Amino acid sequence: AQSVTQLDSQVPVFEEAPVELRCNYSSSVSVYLFWYVQYPNQGLQLLLKYLSGSTLVESINGFEAEFNKSQTSFHLRKPSVHISDTAEYFCAVSVGGSARQLTFGSGTQLTVLP
Amino acid sequence: DVKVTQSSRYLVKRTGEKVFLECVQDMDHENMFWYRQDPGLGLRLIYFSYDVKMKEKGDIPEGYSVSREKKERFSLILESASTNQTSMYLCASSSQALNTEAFFGQGTRLTVV
Repeated sequence: AQSVTQLDSQVPVFEEAPVELRCNYSSSVSVYLFWYVQYPNQGLQLLLKYLSGSTLVESINGFEAEFNKSQTSFHLRKPSVHISDTAEYFCAVSVGGSARQLTFGSGTQLTVLP
Repeated sequence: DVKVTQSSRYLVKRTGEKVFLECVQDMDHENMFWYRQDPGLGLRLIYFSYDVKMKEKGDIPEGYSVSREKKERFSLILESASTNQTSMYLCASSSQALNTEAFFGQGTRLTVV
């Protein structure tokens, strides 16, 4: 069975500073990786995903994540955060490519301070 | 625009009551899911369904049941609500096709008193 570890439960950072949210997974087979974002009082929205091909994937709002198979990691980064990035971020792994077997991490609360 | 709609944003129920949480999706997805979200625990899968009238237990099915009589609707049932079922409940759907992500509803915050 797969599992996902998000090492940081809370990440405070000042506006315009860079940020990295860490995600490690364990699985004995090939995986597909996702980052979801949850804004206050809302459901989850897909931020970006790695399925195959280039190990660096990007979102439309400046986030990127790199799949590192040797380190079994999929860390999320942004070079300069905004107040509006304040949200909870969830890393998720899928075995076999279908969302049917999606496993989530415990989440990281990113708080951007003015 | 894809949509997963949960019938209630907030619910308050008494211990021992039977509770129904409803979820409807308009994307003709085969898969539907119910998750529970608690601080520090992330999302935990309660049940999922991959077809009408089909269901499988997730990681924490105890105290819950589900019903899927129509493809677009997936109901979560708490037969006898207890205070430890106070939580945020999230419904999601996805296509059977490979490489697709799950789409989530807005969530229902259930409080059992």
